[in-house]
Amino acid sequence: QLHLQESGSGLVKPSETLSLTCAVSGGSLSSGGYSWTWIRQAPGRGLEWIGYIYHNGATYYNPSLKSRVTMSVDRSKNQFSLALMSVTAADTAVYYCARLVIASLHYHMDVWGKGTTVTVSS
Amino acid sequence: SYELTQPSSVSVSPGQTATISCSANALANQYAYWYQQKTGQAPVLVIYKDSERPSGIPERFSGSSSGTTATLTISGVQAEDEADYYCQSSDSSGIVFGGGTTLTVL
Repeated sequence: QLHLQESGSGLVKPSETLSLTCAVSGGSLSSGGYSWTWIRQAPGRGLEWIGYIYHNGATYYNPSLKSRVTMSVDRSKNQFSLALMSVTAADTAVYYCARLVIASLHYHMDVWGKGTTVTVSS
Repeated sequence: SYELTQPSSVSVSPGQTATISCSANALANQYAYWYQQKTGQAPVLVIYKDSERPSGIPERFSGSSSGTTATLTISGVQAEDEADYYCQSSDSSGIVFGGGTTLTVL
């Protein structure tokens, strides 16, 4: 059974870069028909899509975050990563990684990690 | 991009039927997906492609779509169904979530 596990810095200072990794187990990052995505949820708020990455490294980002986001994939380690630059308190959230099912222009997440809390504070 | 509109809250008694709507013009041409999120947990997919139910999801969960509105229906609501529910869709710009609906089981 596929399992996703987020890890990374839980506390980030304002203006610095948030870095998270999602380790994939029980399946391959290179499986056809899937991509890999990051989603966040600020305290007491709804879900916000950040972006997704194909196993070949092609990326698609939320236009509202595009200027600050970089995603990458490490096939040798079966993991993918998120970097969010120039963070502010508004970036404080639970960050989830998930597997993304893509069919034509239809996307949905079928497997999620448990999430990791990131706090932006000095 | 566009917005998906959900009611902020729905309340039902155990055994009754809960319906949660999700509206957007784009839903006339796009599928809706539904996630259940219990407090402190990650979201779980409960409905995909408007009305399909993933394996392991109870049959009391069903979905439908007509025109610009998708609906999640929970028949015979149980106390364990109390959670936030999010609809989700997509377009060429990416993935969009509704604001979420809190289902309270009275």
